[in-house]
Amino acid sequence: SYELTQPSSVSVSPGQTARITCSGDVLAKKYARWFQQKPGQAPVLVIYKDSERPSGIPERFSGSSSGTTVTLTISGAQVEDEADYYCYSAADNNLVFGGGTKLTVL
Amino acid sequence: QVQLVQSGSELKKPGASVKVSCKASGYTFTSYAMNWVRQAPGQGLEWMGWINTNTGNPTYAQGFTGRFVFSLDTSVSTAYLQISSLKAEDTAVYYCAAVAVAGPFDYWGQGTLVTVSS
Repeated sequence: SYELTQPSSVSVSPGQTARITCSGDVLAKKYARWFQQKPGQAPVLVIYKDSERPSGIPERFSGSSSGTTVTLTISGAQVEDEADYYCYSAADNNLVFGGGTKLTVL
Repeated sequence: QVQLVQSGSELKKPGASVKVSCKASGYTFTSYAMNWVRQAPGQGLEWMGWINTNTGNPTYAQGFTGRFVFSLDTSVSTAYLQISSLKAEDTAVYYCAAVAVAGPFDYWGQGTLVTVSS
């Protein structure tokens, strides 16, 4: 089975750049997606196809890929970006999730 | 706008059954598969499987066969997750998610907390 590995936490000050990585063999052949989850709210997609941004998502959110690692970058992180972020991918008709990263902005 | 609205929290005793609903609006229900995802307390996300909203054919992930059943009522754009013979370890938040893995269509319900306790 496939696995995706994320750091458990990342912390930045407001206005700084936050980078969250996600690693796994499956990412060498399948696209990654990222979603943001705030307490008590439904998850919201922020990046798909490694680096595409859905409409309505602020430009400060970007994604990149290199080999078996994808990175979510939040340039000029805002206090409202504080949330859990999960990467995931679709492989062999399964969805595979990373363990999630808690982003603290303060 | 697209919305997936799930039924409310449930408190059940071990051995009972529960049925969670997920009502979709704002898009053609049969255009996208519906996934189910579990998040146990303090744990990560586990993909439970998906149901083809055109055919009603379900696919269950490893570890989610036997007691778990996905179903649909396309007349009301609603997907269901039924869990039977509940155990304490089924305590979790259950999410439905309509996802097109090739594109930006990716919408989740707000989650339903199922608590199994005697």
